[in-house]
Amino acid sequence: GAVVSQHPSWVICKSGTSVKIECRSLDFQATTMFWYRQFPKQSLMLMATSNEGSKATYEQGVEKDKFLINHASLTLSTLTVTSAHPEDSSFYICSAIGPAGQGAIDNSPLHFGNGTRLTVT
Amino acid sequence: AQTVTQSQPEMSVQEAETVTLSCTYDTSESDYYLFWYKQPPSRQMILVIRQEAYKQQNATENRFSVNFQKAAKSFSLKISDSQLGDAAMYFCAYRSANDKIIFGKGTRLHILP
Repeated sequence: GAVVSQHPSWVICKSGTSVKIECRSLDFQATTMFWYRQFPKQSLMLMATSNEGSKATYEQGVEKDKFLINHASLTLSTLTVTSAHPEDSSFYICSAIGPAGQGAIDNSPLHFGNGTRLTVT
Repeated sequence: AQTVTQSQPEMSVQEAETVTLSCTYDTSESDYYLFWYKQPPSRQMILVIRQEAYKQQNATENRFSVNFQKAAKSFSLKISDSQLGDAAMYFCAYRSANDKIIFGKGTRLHILP
């Protein structure tokens, strides 16, 4: 089945530094990837939609200069948290669309990475 | 904009019993997908079941089934013969035509031995 690999699974960084999180589709071409953020005991909040070769589309309230998203290939998207602060500490999870079907909606579910726990000290 | 509402923050069920998790959604789209995802303590998102809006037949996956009421915009999940491994956070999700998935706030399910 389709697999999405997310790396690292956890990271601790100092305030003011930048952290890069990778999301890879291992056995399919992901034309679209999504980045979510999840606070403890809360739901997943969509941060941005990433399409290969184009600029990411950010959800309202998400700082694009803070959370840089690059989708350079059909199998890799990266999220860089720039100048991280303790309030950026969270669980970040990516997902990818599987092989496209016919029409606007196909029947492939989103495939999720295992998430990255970011702690900023 | 689409919204997904899960009105039960927590639920408990006795092992081997049946439990139903509720979910309602709001949309003006006619073509969409609905999902139930399970998130255990590992925080991995696991697809439990999905339903295409154009299908009238309710989806079923082993012990998991849904009651999809399109007119009422309701999409409940029934878990039969509950097992200890079913304990997790369950998220109802709506996938729109632009492929975005919108999640409900989740229901934490406890299984009582």
